[in-house]
Amino acid sequence: AQKITQTQPGMFVQEKEAVTLDCTYDTSDQSYGLFWYKQPSSGEMIFLIYQGSYDEQNATEGRYSLNFQKARKSANLVISASQLGDSAMYFCAMREGLRGGYQKVTFGIGTKLQVIP
Amino acid sequence: DGGITQSPKYLFRKEGQNVTLSCEQNLNHDAMYWYRQDPGQGLRLIYYSQIVNDFQKGDIAEGYSVSREKKESFPLTVTSAQKNPTAFYLCASSAQPGQSSGNTIYFGEGSWLTVV
Repeated sequence: AQKITQTQPGMFVQEKEAVTLDCTYDTSDQSYGLFWYKQPSSGEMIFLIYQGSYDEQNATEGRYSLNFQKARKSANLVISASQLGDSAMYFCAMREGLRGGYQKVTFGIGTKLQVIP
Repeated sequence: DGGITQSPKYLFRKEGQNVTLSCEQNLNHDAMYWYRQDPGQGLRLIYYSQIVNDFQKGDIAEGYSVSREKKESFPLTVTSAQKNPTAFYLCASSAQPGQSSGNTIYFGEGSWLTVV
């Protein structure tokens, strides 16, 4: 079974609009972490936001927020006020094994976001 | 500046040859990871390590080998047993959860490997 599922291969959004990128995950761990990364065409991996499984509040970082629904095992990324520079691949990732085990980090296949002027 | 250095950035390999990709970090991180990314694809975990002299197979370890003799270094060898090694390889590291910057995974700039 896939650990991280991103079901949207590509998304379009109008500049200045908000967009939600979907991510669901599968783990039996009680303690885990969820990440979102942005990868522009240059290939670098840019950290956007982190959510711990025990965090009660949804994480926010500037224009990025993470809609964490633990019971549904979803961790959707919301980008508000989209900018042309937001056009990139976006990856959801999960880190397991936080309770003294091996910390394995797995990524989804990504969503390609294109912002339209 | 602290960070992760991968080398070489571009590498060409003949079929049947082994090749080693270097990954060095000066962030004092315990955990290190190697990922493979194929065009238009996500990152797939090859190997990961929590401490020196210990590492675990990821989801696609066949045809690859690693070592972790020093905390700072986690080289990846792509062996001739890897049938389709042409890809973009990313090395990453992270601190322990709860430590400063423990909630971020840091990446190198990647290495492009092409089999010719």
